[in-house]
Formats: sequence, C-alpha cells, structure tokens
Amino acid sequence: AQKITQTQPGMFVQEKEAVTLDCTYDTSDPSYGLFWYKQPSSGEMIFLIYQGSYDQQNATEGRYSLNFQKARKSANLVISASQLGDSAMYFCAMREGIDDMRFGAGTRLTVKP
Amino acid sequence: GAGVSQTPSNKVTEKGKYVELRCDPISGHTALYWYRQSLGQGPEFLIYFQGTGAADDSGLPNDRFFAVRPEGSVSTLKIQRTERGDSAVYLCASSPGTLALASSGTDTQYFGPGTRLTVL
Repeated sequence: AQKITQTQPGMFVQEKEAVTLDCTYDTSDPSYGLFWYKQPSSGEMIFLIYQGSYDQQNATEGRYSLNFQKARKSANLVISASQLGDSAMYFCAMREGIDDMRFGAGTRLTVKP
Repeated sequence: GAGVSQTPSNKVTEKGKYVELRCDPISGHTALYWYRQSLGQGPEFLIYFQGTGAADDSGLPNDRFFAVRPEGSVSTLKIQRTERGDSAVYLCASSPGTLALASSGTDTQYFGPGTRLTVL
C-alpha cells in the first residue's frame, strides 16, 4: 500500500507568491517523522524541513513551513515568497520509528518570472 | 563541514558486468542508507546500516545486490551481473543514528549527490 501520496505531479507559481505542495500519509505507528526534500536538476536531495508526530506546533524553516494536520494525515509544504531558484522536484517522506524512510512520487514545482 | 560524498558520479557499464559504488558519509554519522531512484520517481529504499551491520536490507531487489560497511564509515554497494533495469541514480544518505532519534522517527537523513549508473 502506498504510504506517502503526493497528488500534484506538477505545480506552477508566480515569483514572489506562496505555494502549497500537498502530501498525505498512511501509518498506524504513533511515532513517526515527516520530511520534505528538494531535488534540483543537479540531482542532490536537499533536506528542507522536518515534523515529528508528537510536535504540537507546525514546523517552520525560513520561507518553508509545514502545515501538519495529524487527524487528516496530511503534511503540506508551504513555500512563501517563491524564488526562481525554488524550481525543482519536491519529495515528501515519512519514517516510522526506526524503519526505513518512504518517499512520495514527488511534485515538480516551476516558478515563473 | 563535508557532506555525504559518492563516487563515481557517473558509471557506464555493459550488461553482465560487476560494479561498485562508494559512499562516504558525514563524519560521526552512524547510520547510512542506500536508495535507488529511477527516472520520474521518488527514491526507493535499498539497505540501512547502523554502524558496521546491515540493520535492514529488505529493500535489496535480489541477490545480485550487496552492500558492506566494514569499518562503520565508508560503504560500498556492489551489483553483480548488471542488467539494463539496474540503470538508475543510486543515492546514499547518512544520519546521526542515535537510538533516541531513530526510535522517535526524527533522525534526519542527509543525501549525497548520487551515482548515475547506466547499463548498456
């Protein structure tokens, strides 16, 4: 069964606007971590932001924030004030306890000038 | 400080040949992971080391794939009798790997640039 679902294969956003990338997950483990990675055309996976299942507040890292809705099992990434350099593939991932990390299929974000 | 490094960056080989891919993790990270990423897909887990031992190798697709980490630092992914379907980018990641972080699911993984393997 698919554990991480990213329903948006591609997204477009105008430079300087905000964009939300969707991610839903499936787990019965009470302890898990949710991660977002950025993969530019160079291929390297860049860690952006992390949310723990027990965290009470939504995670934020600079222009990145994670809209964590535990009951709905969603962990959407919000990028504020988009920049041209934000154009890349974005992957949502989940790790349950000490198990391996599972990735979604990714969303390709294109920032338009 | 230095991040995760992988060599070679590109490897082209012929069907049936043997290849080795190397990963040098971030210094002090005890956990090391190998993933395979096919075009247009997310990374797919292969194997996870905690120290020198393979804690989870459930993602290895078959017995042609093998990985080692003899001294708990550098790891080598070995693929025997390569097939065209093995063509992909092979990513390595490392994390601090402390039990507290790992058991709570918070052990952030940092990735290397990957090795692009092409089997002709």
